[in-house]
Amino acid sequence: DAGVTQSPTHLIKTRGQQVTLRCSPKSGHDTVSWYQQALGQGPQFIFQYYEEEERQRGNFPDRFSGHQFPNYSSELNVNALLLGDSALYLCASSLLGTPSSYNSPLHFGNGTRLTVT
Amino acid sequence: AQRVTQPEKLLSVFKGAPVELKCNYSYSGSPELFWYVQYSRQRLQLLLRHISRESIKGFTADLNKGETSFHLKKPFAQEEDSAMYYCALNAGGTSYGKLTFGQGTILTVHP
Repeated sequence: DAGVTQSPTHLIKTRGQQVTLRCSPKSGHDTVSWYQQALGQGPQFIFQYYEEEERQRGNFPDRFSGHQFPNYSSELNVNALLLGDSALYLCASSLLGTPSSYNSPLHFGNGTRLTVT
Repeated sequence: AQRVTQPEKLLSVFKGAPVELKCNYSYSGSPELFWYVQYSRQRLQLLLRHISRESIKGFTADLNKGETSFHLKKPFAQEEDSAMYYCALNAGGTSYGKLTFGQGTILTVHP
């Protein structure tokens, strides 16, 4: 089991450009959450996808959007990149619909390091 | 809104010494608290959660609702415990999966 996989591992973009990051969840998981981790900070929740819909969202602008596919994989899109978007983007998968989160903790990927110049 | 505070960015102890990583939270409801750990060159992974009340790798954490704390403790630190530790809160219910993380504490255990 490869666990959560993210691609690419590193990415360099120019301010104003658009970027797409990809995530494949752990086998058996159906929910994908995205987090942004700035240098020296803890991860910050962006949004979560379940059944191909955005289920909940953190305090991020509409420039951040996502998608979930029928195979549960997910994409994070960021438009009109700003220098402040430079961060490590983490994807985490889990299994929703269990009686409680006890049986399905979040499993994180290694992240995509985005640098905006 | 919920908030998690880890007051120590860096914590250094010697092997065999007790260690306590502090975590305080603010949330008006009944939160679920977690400790996540990230070892060097590895991904973020769950260490333990308060509802399981278990000891993982010798670590324990007790939820103190009166003090709104969830400190992580280990009586005898080992060198392999050196890592970044994050305390995280889940407001629970429909917000499951939406974790609020603290800023993290880098633990260094010296030989």
